Amino acid sequence: DAKTTQPPSMDCAEGRAANLPCNHSTISGNEYVYWYRQIHSQGPQYIIHGLKNNETNEMASLIITEDRKSSTLILPHATLRDTAVYYCIVRLQYNAGNMLTFGGGTRLMVKP
Amino acid sequence: EAGVTQFPSHSVIEKGQTVTLRCDPISGHDNLYWYRRVMGKEIKFLLHFVKESKQDESGMPNNRFLAERTGGTYSTLKVQPAELEDSGVYFCASSQDRMGTTNEKLFFGSGTQLSVL
Repeated sequence: DAKTTQPPSMDCAEGRAANLPCNHSTISGNEYVYWYRQIHSQGPQYIIHGLKNNETNEMASLIITEDRKSSTLILPHATLRDTAVYYCIVRLQYNAGNMLTFGGGTRLMVKP
Repeated sequence: EAGVTQFPSHSVIEKGQTVTLRCDPISGHDNLYWYRRVMGKEIKFLLHFVKESKQDESGMPNNRFLAERTGGTYSTLKVQPAELEDSGVYFCASSQDRMGTTNEKLFFGSGTQLSVL
């Protein structure tokens, strides 16, 4: 699976949009971009995933560049409860291992 | 709907002892995964069950770790004998669909914090 690069930490003001970038310059054509987050003392939580089109759900929006070498997770109105480590994961639609490869993630701190 | 539950939430044991962690997946989920995060490291995959069968156990660190899923429902992960480097948080996750289907997503439990002294 392709490696991803994320900033180690970011701050965001409560109520503002949080834009979390992810670089995946070696992504291949059949690899998806997944986002998970881990709130302190909880297990990772699925947020969203996409292949090449932008995606939106009740939690967030995912913007993938046209060349697919990078993406941005957008939390439109961040709250204090969105403080967490956010993981960008690139993986094949199907691989024999079926595993998610977690990197270091971005620690998002939402401040009042 | 109940989520993935793990027991115990915390376990403190001495080096050389045995510990068994339990995971109850979401009802109806055929796929069950174990992951762990050891101190200061990233979350790592351990193994994957499809029903009662081990689909992939490439992440199991050594033969001191034994995972079972008899009957394809709950799973146990036994560490025998435990070593200091086994300390960390052990997560279980389950999913309904085969990885790679359009709507596939993993649901994680809150983890078991294992401390080996």
